Amino acid sequence: EAQVTQNPRYLITVTGKKLTVTCSQNMNHEYMSWYRQDPGLGLRQIYYSMNVEVTDKGDVPEGYKVSRKEKRNFPLILESPSPNQTSLYFCASSYLPGLDTQYFGPGTRLTVL
Amino acid sequence: AQTVTQSQPEMSVQEAETVTLSCTYDTSESDYYLFWYKQPPSRQMILVIRQEAYKQQNATENRFSVNFQKAAKSFSLKISDSQLGDAAMYFCAYRSAYIKGNTPLVFGKGTRLSVIA
Repeated sequence: EAQVTQNPRYLITVTGKKLTVTCSQNMNHEYMSWYRQDPGLGLRQIYYSMNVEVTDKGDVPEGYKVSRKEKRNFPLILESPSPNQTSLYFCASSYLPGLDTQYFGPGTRLTVL
Repeated sequence: AQTVTQSQPEMSVQEAETVTLSCTYDTSESDYYLFWYKQPPSRQMILVIRQEAYKQQNATENRFSVNFQKAAKSFSLKISDSQLGDAAMYFCAYRSAYIKGNTPLVFGKGTRLSVIA
């Protein structure tokens, strides 16, 4: 089954404790992206990747890192989480940037205390 | 930069009735895609319908159809024969068709749809 998976689905952590949210897709997509969703703000892009080893900032990249060592995986790293990073996070992928639909993972609910 | 506006934070509809959710967008591009995503309580983002800007014909998917007015930059979603399972947050989104750079989805702030039995 074609899908985007994220882990963990739920995470409660404390300020400053490094964490990684994994994202994996099995559709051989080149373009991958992370979004965060906050009430009243919709979804905003954090980082994106055009292909392996090609990543760049989206609209709200502060406090986040990403890597793309393999085509299928695109982890989101919070080196020192803070309470303002409490949010719902989505990973998404598509074959090419502007050619088709982005497919979303199930989301990760992160709470930073 | 592109923007997407959903002017109805909340809507309600009686079961089996029809409801229309509004969306307007602003862009200087001529080639792009428009989407409606549904987000039920499970939080999953589910694609409802997609429209290519170069197509004049409005997209339809079963009970879901759109009214795409390119000149007016309007993209409304019509849900016919509403069902209890249609209750969700609905997001309108825009994506550039440019293939050589970053093309994030630009989302509206959403419309929460309630379906009354």
